[in-house]
Amino acid sequence: QVQLQESGPGLVKPSATLSLSCAVSGDSISTSNWWSWVRQPPGKGLEWIGEVFHTGRTNYSPSLKSRVTISVDKSKNQFSLRLSSVTAADTAVYYCARDKVIPGGYYFDSWGLGTLVTVSS
Amino acid sequence: SSELTQDPAVSVALGQTVRITCQGDSLSSQYASWYQQKPGQAPVLVIYGRNNRPSGIPDRLSGSSSGNTASLTITGAQAEDEADYYCCSRDSSGNHYVFGTGTTVTVV
Repeated sequence: QVQLQESGPGLVKPSATLSLSCAVSGDSISTSNWWSWVRQPPGKGLEWIGEVFHTGRTNYSPSLKSRVTISVDKSKNQFSLRLSSVTAADTAVYYCARDKVIPGGYYFDSWGLGTLVTVSS
Repeated sequence: SSELTQDPAVSVALGQTVRITCQGDSLSSQYASWYQQKPGQAPVLVIYGRNNRPSGIPDRLSGSSSGNTASLTITGAQAEDEADYYCCSRDSSGNHYVFGTGTTVTVV
């Protein structure tokens, strides 16, 4: 059974870069899956940030594209998120998840527990 | 439009049936997936594809689709079904995911 675990600083200063990693166990990151980041500001809904394939190919949310970089480290079986120029609006619980594709649909079948990142000086 | 619209909140009596809907243009060409989220916990996949449930999800949860609307039905709601529910799909470009606005289900 696949497990995902987010890690990274819980506090980031405004205008700095947020960096998180997601360690994958129980599955190889080099399989035919995409790997996503999703966030949830306190008391609000879910927002997809972007995804990466093991080849390094990425797709990003249009609203965050200018600030987001998602990369994969096959040697560590993990993938990472970098979000630059953060503001208080980027305060959220950040989740990593595994994408799956079936005929006619897409879904996230496994999620990490999430990590709260607060942007504050 | 790439948006997925859900009713903010619904309530259901214990043991009764409730339907949660999700509307969006992208749903006319693909199935939505549905996620249950309880306070302080990560989302959990409950429905994907035409009407598929992951292992461990009770069969009182079911999915359906018509036109640009996807639905999640809870038949015989239990206290443990009280949660936020989100729909999700790819947008019309096929390159991005979009989440619905979320529905809070209260079991009374």
